[in-house]
Amino acid sequence: NAGVTQTPKFQVLKTGQSMTLQCAQDMNHNSMYWYRQDPGMGLRLIYYSASEGTTDKGEVPNGYNVSRLNKREFSLRLESAAPSQTSVYFCASRQGSFGYTFGSGTRLTVV
Amino acid sequence: GQQLNQSPQSMFIQEGEDVSMNCTSSSIFNTWLWYKQDPGEGPVLLIALYKAGELTSNGRLTAQFGITRKDSFLNISASIPSDVGIYFCAGLNYGGSQGNLIFGKGTKLSVKP
Repeated sequence: NAGVTQTPKFQVLKTGQSMTLQCAQDMNHNSMYWYRQDPGMGLRLIYYSASEGTTDKGEVPNGYNVSRLNKREFSLRLESAAPSQTSVYFCASRQGSFGYTFGSGTRLTVV
Repeated sequence: GQQLNQSPQSMFIQEGEDVSMNCTSSSIFNTWLWYKQDPGEGPVLLIALYKAGELTSNGRLTAQFGITRKDSFLNISASIPSDVGIYFCAGLNYGGSQGNLIFGKGTKLSVKP
């Protein structure tokens, strides 16, 4: 009963480096989401995937790309990391009218 | 776009006190949800509300879906130290690109033993 699993839990990048944040869910949910959380800003949607094979931009997509690899996995890529992307990133999944299930987050620092 | 106004932003209370927080929106939602985030963890669903006027309890927590569908409140009775965390309200409309949660900015709760 893992739910939503995110890797890595912590990461430090230098400005300009790239990396991919991984997310996998084992609940057979159709929809998956990537959020970032910054102090005082709440949770802001970066990208989402309503179903396998589709992805759409959220509120703050600039500087990110996503891939819905299959129904289970939804990855978030930073091609050229910037200090403004220092944040806590959460992946979530949803099925139907139920609320989201969140992963435990990836804490990213860009120096 | 849709926005949620959540208040208060933070609360510092004594153990045993009751807590009340609310969320308002300029537009209606089909579902209201309340989440709690413990330090270093992701948000966890506390209560889901699906009908206007619905009042739902989960232990010491009580939440209501406003009759106008534009607001919701969460009450916590007899607070304990483990209630510490950030509480988020969220509104949901089903279907297509609107099938996404809109989050409030959170209420940070601190409890003094």
